[in-house]
Amino acid sequence: GEKVEQHESTLSVREGDSAVINCTYTDTASSYFPWYKQEAGKGLHFVIDIRSNVDRKQSQRLIVLLDKKAKRFSLHITATQPEDSAIYFCAALRNNNNAPRFGAGTKLTVKP
Amino acid sequence: GPKVLQIPSHQIIDMGQMVTLNCDPVSNHLYFYWYKQILGQQMEFLVNFYNGKVMEKSKLFKDQFSVERPDGSYFTLKIQPTALEDSAVYFCASSPGTSNTEVFFGKGTRLTVV
Repeated sequence: GEKVEQHESTLSVREGDSAVINCTYTDTASSYFPWYKQEAGKGLHFVIDIRSNVDRKQSQRLIVLLDKKAKRFSLHITATQPEDSAIYFCAALRNNNNAPRFGAGTKLTVKP
Repeated sequence: GPKVLQIPSHQIIDMGQMVTLNCDPVSNHLYFYWYKQILGQQMEFLVNFYNGKVMEKSKLFKDQFSVERPDGSYFTLKIQPTALEDSAVYFCASSPGTSNTEVFFGKGTRLTVV
């Protein structure tokens, strides 16, 4: 089955800098890659996704890149703000409504 | 936006007892999921449920676990009997049933087995 690895367990940046979180996956059939944010003691909140028919997607300060050849995808948060501090989870799944498989999470801290 | 509701938010139960975690998925969603998270760490997939059947389950979905959604009511996760290692936050999720669409998560139920 699909295995998703999230390479950074923790990441600390200064406010205004960019943060990059990298993930890899194993299942070549995976075609949908969502990212979720979890603040302390709360549930998962969807932030952005990318589908396998594109290699880049941007939504305001968030950019996701997908390299299907390398089975790698990443989340770039530009101009970080303290409220971006949270745990970010990447996930991968096929297009037949199988369950998302998550990476282990990256705890992002944005220092003022 | 669409919301998945989980009831209760926190439950404490004696080891060996039965517990039922309730989830009210997004209206008109067809696929339902349970995940287990320990200490804010890895989100571990437990089970995927569609059309009244378990579609997929992981090794963590022990024989003591069961899921059902009788007559379109709550989607439930039942653990019987509970063990200490079942203590975790359990997240319910649902999705519409079309390809490549967002999966919506509830806020979780914190289960403490004592």
